[in-house]
Amino acid sequence: DGGITQSPKYLFRKEGQNVTLSCEQNLNHDAMYWYRQDPGQGLRLIYYSQIVNDFQKGDIAEGYSVSREKKESFPLTVTSAQKNPTAFYLCASNGGGDIQYFGAGTRLSVL
Amino acid sequence: GENVEQHPSTLSVQEGDSAVIKCTYSDSASNYFPWYKQELGKRPQLIIDIRSNVGEKKDQRIAVTLNKTAKHFSLHITETQPEDSAVYFCAASIGSYNTDKLIFGTGTRLQVFP
Repeated sequence: DGGITQSPKYLFRKEGQNVTLSCEQNLNHDAMYWYRQDPGQGLRLIYYSQIVNDFQKGDIAEGYSVSREKKESFPLTVTSAQKNPTAFYLCASNGGGDIQYFGAGTRLSVL
Repeated sequence: GENVEQHPSTLSVQEGDSAVIKCTYSDSASNYFPWYKQELGKRPQLIIDIRSNVGEKKDQRIAVTLNKTAKHFSLHITETQPEDSAVYFCAASIGSYNTDKLIFGTGTRLQVFP
């Protein structure tokens, strides 16, 4: 599975609720990323982190938050401010070269 | 801002035929161009990549060509098989000193009919 584990596989959010998606890697990679995938729109970068305790906004960061307290973990919180959260969320990591390796994804739906 | 355009959005071919997917990018400093294959509901997986100091790279039935002057790169799949059916994404790195960030194209859904 490439050493990147995302959980849960499916997640449902109620209106006004914050939910957190987990991403863990055992590849000893410094850089980690969160992407959102909508049909016909490819992958769009939400947040990325190139080192522990540091992260930067991507192209669509509004309504999302992240933390990077440990090298192996990069959780994404979808806040109630994100009005259209239904999507497939992909986490990736990079070990210092060019290649990004992806997790299996979390499909988030709104109840 | 930087962007990557990918065409076509869908492509249908007969088994054994060739398939070509094309991408153009806007950031002239981009120097790394990967291609990912994503099967339905699965994670994207890298199938081939090329760096700016190379014009062409081949791996069995898959090849990628790069024209830096035109800011254009293409994926070529020969002798297509039904298992090649998937969505293919191109991407380009952002900036010349940081290959960590990628901008992705919108994807091409390839269908290979037996």
